Amino acid sequence: EPEVTQTPSHQVTQMGQEVILRCVPISNHLYFYWYRQILGQKVEFLVSFYNNEISEKSEIFDDQFSVERPDGSNFTLKIRSTKLEDSAMYFCASSPGTRVQYFGPGTRLTVT
Amino acid sequence: AQSVAQPEDQVNVAEGNPLTVKCTYSVSGNPYLFWYVQYPNRGLQFLLKYITGDNLVKGSYGFEAEFNKSQTSFHLKKPSALVSDSALYFCAVRDEAGGSYIPTFGRGTSLIVHP
Repeated sequence: EPEVTQTPSHQVTQMGQEVILRCVPISNHLYFYWYRQILGQKVEFLVSFYNNEISEKSEIFDDQFSVERPDGSNFTLKIRSTKLEDSAMYFCASSPGTRVQYFGPGTRLTVT
Repeated sequence: AQSVAQPEDQVNVAEGNPLTVKCTYSVSGNPYLFWYVQYPNRGLQFLLKYITGDNLVKGSYGFEAEFNKSQTSFHLKKPSALVSDSALYFCAVRDEAGGSYIPTFGRGTSLIVHP
């Protein structure tokens, strides 16, 4: 069964550094998403992407964040200048339509 | 606006006993409701959804959920719990009339099944 994959599984970075989190969505899916989950808290929506542009974004998704689909398979989340409070588990998800989303295993980002 | 509540942080049940994980929601229009499960160090896995139709929805791993419009609830149930069901369970809701495709997730309920 096809799955969403994410790399790396764990990223450690220093405050102020740029990070890029990578995702490979399920191949025939059209909608792509990023969520984050701070340890012990609920899953929070960051951004959705459809037809090569951002379709929705939350208040969390400020100018420090950007997304890109550089080729036909990858979907990336960039954080330009990381802050301590960006430490979280970041989940990528994809969906064939607008209903059920399929999540990847996540990237744990630790900002020191 | 759409919101969802999972009133229990943790549910404990003995193996073989029935389990219920509670979820209530609030929407302006009709709800789309989802349950996801998260095992340690894994992403969220889709369990089941309610869009329309029968109020009792059957999903993966023997789980089911009952949509109750009058009580605005969508509780997750399983007749006989397994130790391997121990995980974090998330309820999510999307308002059909909300103009957004993005669901709101609850805070999660930790299910612990004791041998």
